[in-house]
Amino acid sequence: GESVGLHLPTLSVQEGDNSIINCAYSNSASDYFIWYKQESGKGPQFIIDIRSNMDKRQGQRVTVLLNKTVKHLSLQIAATQPGDSAVYFCAEMKGYGNKLVFGAGTILRVKS
Amino acid sequence: GAVVSQHPSWVICKSGTSVKIECRSLDFQATTMFWYRQFPKQSLMLMATSNEGSKATYEQGVEKDKFLINHASLTLSTLTVTSAHPEDSSFYICSATGGVGNTIYFGEGSWLTVV
Repeated sequence: GESVGLHLPTLSVQEGDNSIINCAYSNSASDYFIWYKQESGKGPQFIIDIRSNMDKRQGQRVTVLLNKTVKHLSLQIAATQPGDSAVYFCAEMKGYGNKLVFGAGTILRVKS
Repeated sequence: GAVVSQHPSWVICKSGTSVKIECRSLDFQATTMFWYRQFPKQSLMLMATSNEGSKATYEQGVEKDKFLINHASLTLSTLTVTSAHPEDSSFYICSATGGVGNTIYFGEGSWLTVV
């Protein structure tokens, strides 16, 4: 199968600070990207998405940046809260309605 | 909003037996469903893509005879793990698309433990 991850890296931040989670995607032909949050024992939860014709998109407290030149995505979370603690995955898709391939993931730990 | 439901949420089975996991789209017609497997502290690995009324497309390295996928209706796909072994113990997650805007919805996952 695709996108088999190794042990996930961990990002520890202080409550109230901003978090930046990075992701390298694999397929230069991918044209749609999604960030997901996954809490322990649950399915992925949609956070924000971006299409390849954009390089930045903002949501509530979150911003996604896309750099197609180096195949890099980042998720910025403003004023990180304890409830943001989870595993974060980027996912890529080529073409609409096609399979979604997940990146390796990052554990975000928020310290109070 | 649209909801994808998986059943059972968790299951324990004996080695050598088969177990079925259901994935249902509750308020939209899912033309395509996807099955993922996730081992502890790892990413989601796509196993197969399932289109209603046709055979599933399996990812490289996934045994189609071991992981039987059926998508007989627009609201239900099933994954059957045949002759389960302890190494099949994992978190199985489905997703479905086909609603408004072709949004992808994920189920809450099913824990399988093979003893």
